[in-house]
Amino acid sequence: ETGVTQTPRHLVMGMTNKKSLKCEQHLGHNAMYWYKQSAKKPLELMFVYNFKEQTENNSVPSRFSPECPNSSHLFLHLHTLQPEDSALYLCASSQDLINYGYTFGSGTRLTVV
Amino acid sequence: AQSVTQLGSHVSVSEGALVLLRCNYSSSVPPYLFWYVQYPNQGLQLLLKYTSAATLVKGINGFEAEFKKSETSFHLTKPSAHMSDAAEYFCAVSRPNSGNTPLVFGKGTRLSVIA
Repeated sequence: ETGVTQTPRHLVMGMTNKKSLKCEQHLGHNAMYWYKQSAKKPLELMFVYNFKEQTENNSVPSRFSPECPNSSHLFLHLHTLQPEDSALYLCASSQDLINYGYTFGSGTRLTVV
Repeated sequence: AQSVTQLGSHVSVSEGALVLLRCNYSSSVPPYLFWYVQYPNQGLQLLLKYTSAATLVKGINGFEAEFKKSETSFHLTKPSAHMSDAAEYFCAVSRPNSGNTPLVFGKGTRLSVIA
């Protein structure tokens, strides 16, 4: 148990489907992040939320839609994805980057067919 | 802008041998630097961090890293590799006093340990 829980762990979806990824932390952290991890590529920052407000959108296509209803929960809504969107999606949270760094979830392995 | 370069996408060592994973950074200001480890089918776990205190930083599982400003490096080492060290390792950089400004990660180095 890492303190950051991501569900589901695995997801297979068709290109016309709509699905959501969920991330939950009860560490009291105020910032939450979505990263995309593809094979042979660096971790790609997608979105940052600080105190529920989106502070960064790293030029992510609109077929990815984040939602942060409170400081403990973060969602990533998916619709009309492409096969190249298949990847491991990692959620992370932080309170004090200097002292604690990030706490990552175990990720959701997404396959788009 | 900050960036990190990890030299070698794959490093293979024998059990009991020295582990050396290389990371060089680029930053306009003295950075904060981190090493993370990722085991198969898991998220990333913080190994150690440099935040402008001691230049030699000790982390979990016997790993350590030394910040060398003159070489813009933050290489990760472990004196004696164990089979359980086989994983992917990521170096990351951040800008000091920047609140929760996101980390920038390197491409990762996969460490294999041979019995």
